[in-house]
Amino acid sequence: TQLLEQSPQFLSIQEGENLTVYCNSSSVFSSLQWYRQEPGEGPVLLVTVVTGGEVKKLKRLTFQFGDARKDSSLHITAAQPGDTGLYLCAGAQGNFNKFYFGSGTKLNVKP
Amino acid sequence: DAGITQSPRHKVTETGTPVTLRCHQTENHRYMYWYRQDPGHGLRLIHYSYGVKDTDKGEVSDGYSVSRSKTEDFLLTLESATSSQTSVYFCAISTGPRERLAGELFFGEGSRLTVL
Repeated sequence: TQLLEQSPQFLSIQEGENLTVYCNSSSVFSSLQWYRQEPGEGPVLLVTVVTGGEVKKLKRLTFQFGDARKDSSLHITAAQPGDTGLYLCAGAQGNFNKFYFGSGTKLNVKP
Repeated sequence: DAGITQSPRHKVTETGTPVTLRCHQTENHRYMYWYRQDPGHGLRLIHYSYGVKDTDKGEVSDGYSVSRSKTEDFLLTLESATSSQTSVYFCAISTGPRERLAGELFFGEGSRLTVL
């Protein structure tokens, strides 16, 4: 059982649609990160959220950290084919040094 | 791109044989990690290191050992490989926390291991 559970596991949508990916845990994390991974490559950091209730926006992507610092969400507005990839949330524990990843959400945006 | 090199990139081996994967960094980062990635499981932490000769277990450490004798190298060893260890293995490095903010993880390109 992983510390972080993501939903949905797969998402296939049309270009222009909105979507939300969820990352949930029963544990409290010092911070939550979101990564994006393309086939054959390692994940790349998108954002870090630290404060409970924090909301961060990165162009069409909106990230939120739950008030209790146990969950997070990623919302994409007007998805584009370039958003296609595997989205992973990661929580840091142990003085920020130990990173645990969620199960991942595979997003496919069709033109 | 962060200077992280994993070797070998691909390996096929037989059950019961020892396997060592190497992660080499040129960034002089303190923290190094080994993860495995399997469908439906995202990335799972195997071991990590917070300095030379300082390591700690992750979620799925059984059957794996690590060593870090130099800052730049972090080795992952499967003493006796099993088919359940067929996976893609990723090494990551991090500067560590700065001003209460978790450091960013930089990943290598992965090593695909198949155990027959």
